[in-house]
Amino acid sequence: QVQLQESGPGLVKPSETLSLTCTVSSGSISTYYWSWIRQPPEKGLEWIGYIYFNGNTNYNPSLKSQVTISIDTSKSQFSLKLSSVTAADTAVYYCARTGSIPTFFDYWGQGAVVTVSS
Amino acid sequence: QSALTQPRSVSGSPGQSVTISCTGSSSDIGGYKYVSWYQQYPGKAPKLMIYEVNKRPSGVPDRFSGSKSGDTASLTISGLQAEDEADYYCCSYAGSYTFRYVFGPGTKVTLL
Repeated sequence: QVQLQESGPGLVKPSETLSLTCTVSSGSISTYYWSWIRQPPEKGLEWIGYIYFNGNTNYNPSLKSQVTISIDTSKSQFSLKLSSVTAADTAVYYCARTGSIPTFFDYWGQGAVVTVSS
Repeated sequence: QSALTQPRSVSGSPGQSVTISCTGSSSDIGGYKYVSWYQQYPGKAPKLMIYEVNKRPSGVPDRFSGSKSGDTASLTISGLQAEDEADYYCCSYAGSYTFRYVFGPGTKVTLL
């Protein structure tokens, strides 16, 4: 069973860059798409973007100017960078497998709580 | 504001059936067969329950079923059980030139 685990700082200052890494285990990172999804407190889910194992990316247009997703297949990891954060970026950030055809999210990490505050 | 619309809550007695609707547009639900549904317990990650409108992943009880008509998708839970009390989110692929995936705001299922 594929397992995903997010890691990174839980507190980020306003205007700085949020950085998270997702480590994939018990499965191959190849031939799949991998997404980041976030959930602000007491709110719904928002897709941030995905990366294919070959490095191709696709981002939510509303976040495109802030987001960079990268992948390191040798480490079975993919990463999220969100620049110029504000309090509105406070959320639980999930990494998720998006399938070989990216139409659903079948495996999720447990989530990383990130708070933007000075 | 979500691109998809769901009722805030639905409720039912144990053993009954409940249906959650998810309404979008021709740019998302109406245009693709890529609707998925997720169950989320408080403080936990979402879990895939239905994909591609009506397919169930291995391990998901057949009490859960999905359908779509026009711009509206639905999740039906038959024979409601205590462990079904959770939040449910719909999601749709939204094409190559807009939001790629849009989620609904979530529906709380409560047992009476």
